[in-house]
Amino acid sequence: AQKVTQAQTEISVVEKEDVTLDCVYETRDTTYYLFWYKQPPSGELVFLIRRNSFDEQNEISGRYSWNFQKSTSSFNFTITASQVVDSAVYFCALSEARNAGNNRKLIWGLGTSLAVNP
Amino acid sequence: NAGVTQTPKFQVLKTGQSMTLQCAQDMNHNSMYWYRQDPGMGLRLIYYSASEGTTDKGEVPNGYNVSRLNKREFSLRLESAAPSQTSVYFCASSPSGTAGNQPQHFGDGTRLSIL
Repeated sequence: AQKVTQAQTEISVVEKEDVTLDCVYETRDTTYYLFWYKQPPSGELVFLIRRNSFDEQNEISGRYSWNFQKSTSSFNFTITASQVVDSAVYFCALSEARNAGNNRKLIWGLGTSLAVNP
Repeated sequence: NAGVTQTPKFQVLKTGQSMTLQCAQDMNHNSMYWYRQDPGMGLRLIYYSASEGTTDKGEVPNGYNVSRLNKREFSLRLESAAPSQTSVYFCASSPSGTAGNQPQHFGDGTRLSIL
């Protein structure tokens, strides 16, 4: 069965600390896609990154980095030198390629609420 | 760059009232989605439309109906609102319903309270 688990419900850090948000997924498909979204206190959902199952390269974008490991079915998100503006709920999501035609939907984790305190 | 526009942003209803949430996207996307977000339950898919002219049920369709009016617009209707439908509703769109690698783009949400 498809599933996305974000075991950390809430994380609180002090500004400038590094923080890693965990995402573990389950899928029987060999081709799938993983996503991270950010939901700041203002409420909108912002797409951050997509990773394909056949591309295990890690990605860095400024202070953000993503570590994709198929061996452990994990797609973790690290924020380096966190800032107050990083405070948000972060969601991990999975899409499977085997769901044919119109049936491709995102499977969402429950989110991790990150509070970065000054 | 409007992206996905939802109206209204806030609404209070009485139990039994009906209302329609509107959603429009200007990105020429084929697929559109309606979610509800409740504390501790993440995002749950209500209905989606993989392309103009088609709609399908998601995880929690009971009590809702949808209309894909055209390629741009996808509305969600509550025929007889119930307190359990108090939630934040998000509309989203993506380029294609058949390409699972396409990210979804979200509107700002509608905060709906039913008394």
